[in-house]
Amino acid sequence: ETGVTQTPRHLVMGMTNKKSLKCEQHLGHNAMYWYKQSAKKPLELMFVYSLEERVENNSVPSRFSPECPNSSHLFLHLHTLQPEDSALYLCASSPRLAGGAYNEQFFGPGTRLTVL
Amino acid sequence: GQQLNQSPQSMFIQEGEDVSMNCTSSSIFNTWLWYKQDPGEGPVLLIALYKAGELTSNGRLTAQFGITRKDSFLNISASIPSDVGIYFCAGQLSGSRLTFGEGTQLTVNP
Repeated sequence: ETGVTQTPRHLVMGMTNKKSLKCEQHLGHNAMYWYKQSAKKPLELMFVYSLEERVENNSVPSRFSPECPNSSHLFLHLHTLQPEDSALYLCASSPRLAGGAYNEQFFGPGTRLTVL
Repeated sequence: GQQLNQSPQSMFIQEGEDVSMNCTSSSIFNTWLWYKQDPGEGPVLLIALYKAGELTSNGRLTAQFGITRKDSFLNISASIPSDVGIYFCAGQLSGSRLTFGEGTQLTVNP
């Protein structure tokens, strides 16, 4: 596997279910991100991890719970979601957290989540 | 917070035509990135710009970092059907936080 991978690619869940999204990056990067992409809206940054430590949490509801066990893996645990949480959830990674040249973010293919 | 205005929102063109889209910001950025997203996939980085005034090409794509650091444009020359998708600009000032535009949906008619 190369780049950033995400599983599952599609997920349908009820509001009472508990599920997890998985992201893995094979680029040797130190920073990982979760984004939410809804139709006709800009990408919304949810969480940022640097060297397995959460450094940013953008007022995301507690029904979304991230986990970063190591610099290559990132999870998003979901429980008691609402229908409006249906969206494409994208994972990204970058070489490091600090901005600057050659520190672009690379995205995975996303998980299409539908909450019934 | 910073906001990006990306235009146009959508474009319908004939194969072979050139395309131009742009992003403007209410404040400056140090880096501009252009991504393309195909249906059902994540955004793929096309071009990265690091200096005001920089002009960078990637095949038929050319992007420029505006001299004021508040804008950037992307041109696609001689469009082909596989250019179809959503194109996003993103600006970065400090840290790794990116501010994204709303995207330009490109449709290319054969």
